[in-house]
Amino acid sequence: KNEVEQSPQNLTAQEGEFITINCSYSVGISALHWLQQHPGGGIVSLFMLSSGKKKHGRLIATINIQEKHSSLHITASHPRDSAVYICAVSDSGGSNYKLTFGKGTLLTVNP
Amino acid sequence: DAGVIQSPRHEVTEMGQEVTLRCKPISGHNSLFWYRQTMMRGLELLIYFNNNVPIDDSGMPEDRFSAKMPNASFSTLKIQPSEPRDSAVYFCASSFEGFENEQYFGPGTRLTVT
Repeated sequence: KNEVEQSPQNLTAQEGEFITINCSYSVGISALHWLQQHPGGGIVSLFMLSSGKKKHGRLIATINIQEKHSSLHITASHPRDSAVYICAVSDSGGSNYKLTFGKGTLLTVNP
Repeated sequence: DAGVIQSPRHEVTEMGQEVTLRCKPISGHNSLFWYRQTMMRGLELLIYFNNNVPIDDSGMPEDRFSAKMPNASFSTLKIQPSEPRDSAVYFCASSFEGFENEQYFGPGTRLTVT
């Protein structure tokens, strides 16, 4: 079973700061997902990546397959970025039915 | 498209009662997922359907839980009999071709079993 660790668990930032959230996993994967869950509970998929880097607006996600590590960066953070960010991995090895979730990082951006 | 639709949004029931949660995936998506989220365990995948067929139900906690997908536009998750420890938010998500593509989540059903 893949173990997914996120850090930090909680993060408080001031508006405008550059933010990094980390995700490490223990077993080779086929894909890694970053999800955003807003205070109201809705979940949005931000990125799905298996190598390299993806960028969408102020959000950047990177993955290092060799180091089994991914980072989610938010540039010029804003209070509306306040949410729980969840990392999830799909296991590789022929059976990619498993999706293992990290426990999430609670981000609070203060104005 | 209206996105993934779940009903009801909230459900309060007494222990021992049957509960049925419903999901309509995004039209054109052929993969459907049921998740459960609790404070203690976070998000967990319960079952995954592809082309209406259950592919992996190893996440279903016990025999009290069952899920069906009779057609491409409808799925149910049933709990019978319900127990207080089943209280959680249940999410349905859909995608095109499984885990390797972006999943779209429904708003969730908040279940409280008293």
